[in-house]
Amino acid sequence: AQSVTQPDIHITVSEGASLELRCNYSYGATPYLFWYVQSPGQGLQLLLKYFSGDTLVQGIKGFEAEFKRSQSSFNLRKPSVHWSDAAEYFCAVGAPGSQGNLIFGKGTKLSVKP
Amino acid sequence: NAGVTQTPKFRVLKTGQSMTLLCAQDMNHEYMYWYRQDPGMGLRLIHYSVGEGTTAKGEVPDGYNVSRLKKQNFLLGLESAAPSQTSVYFCASRLRQESYEQYFGPGTRLTVT
Repeated sequence: AQSVTQPDIHITVSEGASLELRCNYSYGATPYLFWYVQSPGQGLQLLLKYFSGDTLVQGIKGFEAEFKRSQSSFNLRKPSVHWSDAAEYFCAVGAPGSQGNLIFGKGTKLSVKP
Repeated sequence: NAGVTQTPKFRVLKTGQSMTLLCAQDMNHEYMYWYRQDPGMGLRLIHYSVGEGTTAKGEVPDGYNVSRLKKQNFLLGLESAAPSQTSVYFCASRLRQESYEQYFGPGTRLTVT
């Protein structure tokens, strides 16, 4: 069965600092991978996705993520965090060829210090 | 395009009362989903639909029913609300089987007292 682990429940970074949010998945083959962001009181917005090809994918708002098959990871990065990036971030996994339902991690809450 | 909309945004119920949450999408998406979000639990799938007239159970279906009579609407019903159903409910939609990304509504915050 698929599973997704986001090891960090809460991360605090200073504005302007770099950011890396971790995501590890368990799946027998290469899954489809997603990062979503949820601002307070809002729904989830898709940041980026990986299906195949280049393992470094670019998303909206200056975010990128790198798929590493050997580590079963899909970590989200941003070189310089802005105060508006404070939100909760969810990693999700989908199994190709199946119903395609997504399995979500429990989320990482990002706080940004001025 | 309004995308995915949910009605209502907030609701307070007493234990035993019933209600229906409405999800509507104007993107002609085939698939629709209902999730609940609880602190520290992420999103858990309640029910989903792969097309008009179809429904299927997700991870946590007990206490909920759904219907998809029209392609653009997906209804989530609570027949007899319980305090354990206090949660934020999200609807999502997906274009078709080959496209896996889901698009989310703004959520409904439900409190059962």
